[in-house]
Amino acid sequence: GQQLNQSPQSMFIQEGEDVSMNCTSSSIFNTWLWYKQEPGEGPVLLIALYKAGELTSNGRLTAQFGITRKDSFLNISASIPSDVGIYFCAGQDNTNAGKSTFGDGTTLTVKP
Amino acid sequence: DGGITQSPKYLFRKEGQNVTLSCEQNLNHDAMYWYRQDPGQGLRLIYYSQIVNDFQKGDIAEGYSVSREKKESFPLTVTSAQKNPTAFYLCASSSPVGRGDTEAFFGQGTRLTVV
Repeated sequence: GQQLNQSPQSMFIQEGEDVSMNCTSSSIFNTWLWYKQEPGEGPVLLIALYKAGELTSNGRLTAQFGITRKDSFLNISASIPSDVGIYFCAGQDNTNAGKSTFGDGTTLTVKP
Repeated sequence: DGGITQSPKYLFRKEGQNVTLSCEQNLNHDAMYWYRQDPGQGLRLIYYSQIVNDFQKGDIAEGYSVSREKKESFPLTVTSAQKNPTAFYLCASSSPVGRGDTEAFFGQGTRLTVV
């Protein structure tokens, strides 16, 4: 099946620092999604990207749909302690019933 | 409020028993999904359904069964044939391709432990 490579696997940063994580795929996706999961909870959608080259912000979060349609990145600016969690990217291929393929996640730890 | 409800939050099962996890949504979504999450890993697709009375196997369907008799409900049964059922199970729903945004929305999950 389709594979997503998400990196880094984990990040330990100081409060106030900026964060960047990315996902790459060997195949093309038509939609890129970014989720955040807190312990014991389901993932919550942060940003959805539908068009190659699209750059979308949600507060301190910014995500881009790579121009090749095989990659996406998520930036978090001025991190705060509540940013802690696991961030997942997901790609959708519209020929595949709208199913999402998920990366393995980036675990973010923010030190006050 | 619109959303997806999974129940129970925690579930304990004895080896050899079947157990059914509930998933209900009132988002009027046609598509529903079940994922399994193991510690430190991503989400793996068990089963999905695009429409009532139809469902498809995902990547790790062995030892699981589902039904889709109503649009709002997509229960997952973990059977005794599942060799390693202890995991966090997530249900999601979305609009199908061609009917607007297709991002999936998740329930809060059910943590199943085999004792």
